[in-house]
Amino acid sequence: GESVGLHLPTLSVQEGDNSIINCAYSNSASDYFIWYKQESGKGPQFIIDIRSNMDKRQGQRVTVLLNKTVKHLSLQIAATQPGDSAVYFCAQGSNYQLIWGAGTKLIIKP
Amino acid sequence: DVKVTQSSRYLVKRTGEKVFLECVQDMDHENMFWYRQDPGLGLRLIYFSYDVKMKEKGDIPEGYSVSREKKERFSLILESASTNQTSMYLCASSFSQYEQFFGPGTRLTVL
Repeated sequence: GESVGLHLPTLSVQEGDNSIINCAYSNSASDYFIWYKQESGKGPQFIIDIRSNMDKRQGQRVTVLLNKTVKHLSLQIAATQPGDSAVYFCAQGSNYQLIWGAGTKLIIKP
Repeated sequence: DVKVTQSSRYLVKRTGEKVFLECVQDMDHENMFWYRQDPGLGLRLIYFSYDVKMKEKGDIPEGYSVSREKKERFSLILESASTNQTSMYLCASSFSQYEQFFGPGTRLTVL
C-alpha cells in the first residue's frame, strides 16, 4: 500500500544552525507534497507545499526539495529558532486525500 | 483569519458510551475531514466529506460514523466507545485539493 516514511523520529539542532528534515514516499504518482508543523497542544499548521513539476520551492526561512528519482522530500529550515520546536509532518497528495508520514520531532538546543 | 474549532479539548468517556465530536469551520470550505492521531502513526483519515450530506470513508472508518447537515459543521460519532478509540482526534477543512486547515484537536480517553 501507499506509505510516507520519515528517516528520523527525532532531530536535535543547535539554535542558529540549519535544520534538514527528510521524508521518503512510495507513491510515485503523487503530484503534490506538503509539510506541516505541529506545536504541542495544537493542530498541524501548513508550512509549504510543492508540486511534482518542481524540484525546489522557497518560503520564509524554509525550503522544500523534491527528488522524484529517489522519491525523497526534504524540508530545510534556515537559522533554526526556539519557536521552530515542533513535530514536522510530510504528506503526499493522492486521490484528493493526504497520506501522512509519522512525523519528526525537532528539538532546538540553546 | 481561518478558523476551525472543535467542541472539546479533552473528553473522558466510558466504554459503550455514544460520543459526539463536533467541528465547525468559518471559511465556507467545501471539504471537511476527521483524523485520529496516535504516536508514531501520523494522522490517519477516518472520514471526509466533500459537500453537505455527503461522506466518504477514509482509511479507518470502523467504529465511527459522521454527519454533515450543514456546510460549516462536521460531526464524528462513536456509536459505542471502546478503549482502543482513545486518541487525539483532529478535524480539518479545505477549499483546495490538498491544503487543509486544522482545529486544535480533541483528546479523547475511553475508560
